[in-house]
Amino acid sequence: DQQVKQNSPSLSVQEGRISILNCDYTNSMFDYFLWYKKYPAEGPTFLISISSIKDKNEDGRFTVFLNKSAKHLSLHIVPSQPGDSAVYFCAASPGAGSYQLTFGKGTKLSVIP
Amino acid sequence: DGGITQSPKYLFRKEGQNVTLSCEQNLNHDAMYWYRQDPGQGLRLIYYSQIVNDFQKGDIAEGYSVSREKKESFPLTVTSAQKNPTAFYLCASRPKRSSYEQYFGPGTRLTVT
Repeated sequence: DQQVKQNSPSLSVQEGRISILNCDYTNSMFDYFLWYKKYPAEGPTFLISISSIKDKNEDGRFTVFLNKSAKHLSLHIVPSQPGDSAVYFCAASPGAGSYQLTFGKGTKLSVIP
Repeated sequence: DGGITQSPKYLFRKEGQNVTLSCEQNLNHDAMYWYRQDPGQGLRLIYYSQIVNDFQKGDIAEGYSVSREKKESFPLTVTSAQKNPTAFYLCASRPKRSSYEQYFGPGTRLTVT
């Protein structure tokens, strides 16, 4: 049973436009959420995170929104750049002393120049 | 400079052989993790260790073994009992108890024929 779902395997966006990557979760115990970016044959790099006590966190071009009632979070990238082309993973942790992460399957973002 | 190193980048083995993947970090991180990534899949947790000389099974530990004799090192052995060992293996570490972010190494691509 997949607890973290990224239902869009891929997404194509024009350079300069907004990219919106979505993530849904089923475990109501998840308390902290992270986004990672991964290039082929490399390890993921941490991008941005959000605690369940917030509904928005912003870092430069990246903003994560959390809707706890819908068990949904999204990552907004604006403006999108060709270098943003990568696979983006959503991850969740139950918190409360557990620091294990459960990952979604990822969404491949292609930013078209 | 500090980081997580995994060696080698590519590894080839014959079926039936055990193989050990190296993971070293000089970040002084307490916790270390091993994940496996298959095409179109998210990262799945194999084993993790919160402190030296202690480790726990993750979601897919069967056919794998680990040791944590030093804080800096967390090697993973893929045994002949692992049914589908060909995959991309990622090692990660986490800085401290209150931090959720995990930092990943570059990965090792293991091919077993």
